[in-house]
This record gives sequence, C-alpha cells and structure tokens, in this order.
Amino acid sequence: DAKTTQPNSMESNEEEPVHLPCNHSTISGTDYIHWYRQLPSQGPEYVIHGLTSNVNNRMASLAIAEDRKSSTLILHRATLRDAAVYYCILRDPPDYKLSFGAGTTVTVRA
Amino acid sequence: NAGVTQTPKFQVLKTGQSMTLQCAQDMNHEYMSWYRQDPGMGLRLIHYSVGAGITDQGEVPNGYNVSRSTTEDFPLRLLSAAPSQTSVYFCASSHPPSGNTIYFGEGSWLTVV
Repeated sequence: DAKTTQPNSMESNEEEPVHLPCNHSTISGTDYIHWYRQLPSQGPEYVIHGLTSNVNNRMASLAIAEDRKSSTLILHRATLRDAAVYYCILRDPPDYKLSFGAGTTVTVRA
Repeated sequence: NAGVTQTPKFQVLKTGQSMTLQCAQDMNHEYMSWYRQDPGMGLRLIHYSVGAGITDQGEVPNGYNVSRSTTEDFPLRLLSAAPSQTSVYFCASSHPPSGNTIYFGEGSWLTVV
C-alpha cells in the first residue's frame, strides 16, 4: 500500500492560513488523496479529496502537485475549532480501506 | 438520517469477559469497517466487510470477531477481553468507489481491567 508522510505538528494563529503538507511519492495513478481530521474525543471526519486537479470546498482547499507525489491541505482562515489531527490518506480502488498514519496535530493560537 | 451509530459509548470490562460493540448505519452503504485507536496513534483496521455475508481481516484482527448479516449492522465481538484491548473503537461505512466519503461513528471507549 502506498504510504504518506506528514509533519508531526503545526501551529497557527487564529484567522491565518494553514498549509499542511503531505508526501506520497509512491502514489499510483488510481489512488485518490483523501484528508480527514479528528477533533478531540471524536471520530474522524471527511475534509476533502482529489485525484489530479486542485479541489475546493467550504472547509478547505487541496492543492495537488503535478506529479502527484505531494499535496497540500489549505485551511484558509484557521479558527480555534480547526484544532485537530489531520490525516492525509491514499485510497486505491477497489480497496476502500483507509491506512492511517499519525497525522499532523494542528494547534491554533487565539 | 443518523449516519453511523455506535453503542455503547463507554464500557468497562473485566479481563476474560466477552462483549459486543454495535454499529449501525442508515445510508445503505456496502462497505463497513472497525478500527481501533490507541492513545496518540492513528486508527488501525480490525475487520471490514464489503457487503452482507462477507467479512475479512484487517491489520489487527486477533481477539475480535465480526459478522454481517444485514447491510445496516456490523457488530464487533470481543471474545475474551484483555487489557491490551483497552482502546477507542470506531466503526465506519461508505459506498465502494474510492472517491467517496467514509463516515465514522463517534467512537466506543472500552477499558479492560
């Protein structure tokens, strides 16, 4: 299974953007890049996903490198509620299982 | 639409006892799975199912059994609880295509003493 590499932690100030990098150098052509986050004492929740093109939704943006070996999750204006562990995960059809690493712990300072 | 529902939310077991963690989803998802999360770590896959009547082992299946008699339900059974099974358990479900969202339950906190 292709694996991802993320920094252990990142800090941000409230109202500032947060850029969360993810390396996936062994990604296959059919792997989707998924991001989930886990708030304290809660189950993971979906943030965004993409295959080749950059993606935007109400929560975040996903920038995917042209060679697909890395991607960046962008939280445009961090709030205190964005403090969580963020997981970058590759999902390969038809395998629906998720392989979680340790993720990146995001701390937002007021 | 309740999503993925897990019960119980908290449970304390004695070593050697057995119990079942319940998971139900109302989204007609084919795929369901169980993960465990130990402190400070990511989730690890225990068992999964790609449809009613079909189950398979994940990364850490020892000490757990599952069955999938209906699309909606995917219970996880601890056969003889051990302190090493103290963890938070998450159930998840999704439709098959890999670009689809996976939905997680709120978790079941299990302590084995």
